[in-house]
Amino acid sequence: QKEVEQDPGPLSVPEGAIVSLNCTYSNSAFQYFMWYRQYSRKGPELLMYTYSSGNKEDGRFTAQVDKSSKYISLFIRDSQPSDSATYLCAMSVEGFKTIFGAGTRLFVKA
Amino acid sequence: NAGVTQTPKFRVLKTGQSMTLLCAQDMNHEYMYWYRQDPGMGLRLIHYSVGEGTTAKGEVPDGYNVSRLKKQNFLLGLESAAPSQTSVYFCASSNVRDRELADEQFFGPGTRLTVL
Repeated sequence: QKEVEQDPGPLSVPEGAIVSLNCTYSNSAFQYFMWYRQYSRKGPELLMYTYSSGNKEDGRFTAQVDKSSKYISLFIRDSQPSDSATYLCAMSVEGFKTIFGAGTRLFVKA
Repeated sequence: NAGVTQTPKFRVLKTGQSMTLLCAQDMNHEYMYWYRQDPGMGLRLIHYSVGEGTTAKGEVPDGYNVSRLKKQNFLLGLESAAPSQTSVYFCASSNVRDRELADEQFFGPGTRLTVL
């Protein structure tokens, strides 16, 4: 079993939809939870991070961490075609050795 | 600032050949990483370095060696390439942060390697 599980998709939604992306994990020692966005043929870029549990909001993006269920989510409101990318969840114990999920491919149709 | 750069962008090798991938960063970061990305597997850590002159093994180190002789450079070597090493290789760098701040890794554009 992988430490971090993420549905690879692809996920296709119409423009303006609310998107929910999720990951589950098995290591209860993870403290840092991150979401990276990766456009085609580019390197990943950090989108959101959360330390420990709770929610964090940044514009149209909301990250949630439920440590009791070992489950993290990323919500995208009013999705745009420019949000079409692969979204990778990532987490770490110490803050620098990061374990990545497989990534979910998202397509937002205009 | 160029950020993180990788050389070369593409390469095709024959089984048994050797090569070195170069990663350079101009952000004065302490930590540097090499990952490979394969379909359905996500990013997997090959080796990493927490400072000049230091290296450590990651999740999938077999068949690879690394060196960090200068703070700004991190080299990944394949001594005898195998088809299983066909992948996209990403270098990343990051810096030491306060305890409650996540380690934001800055990635290079990747190197697409095919081993025939």
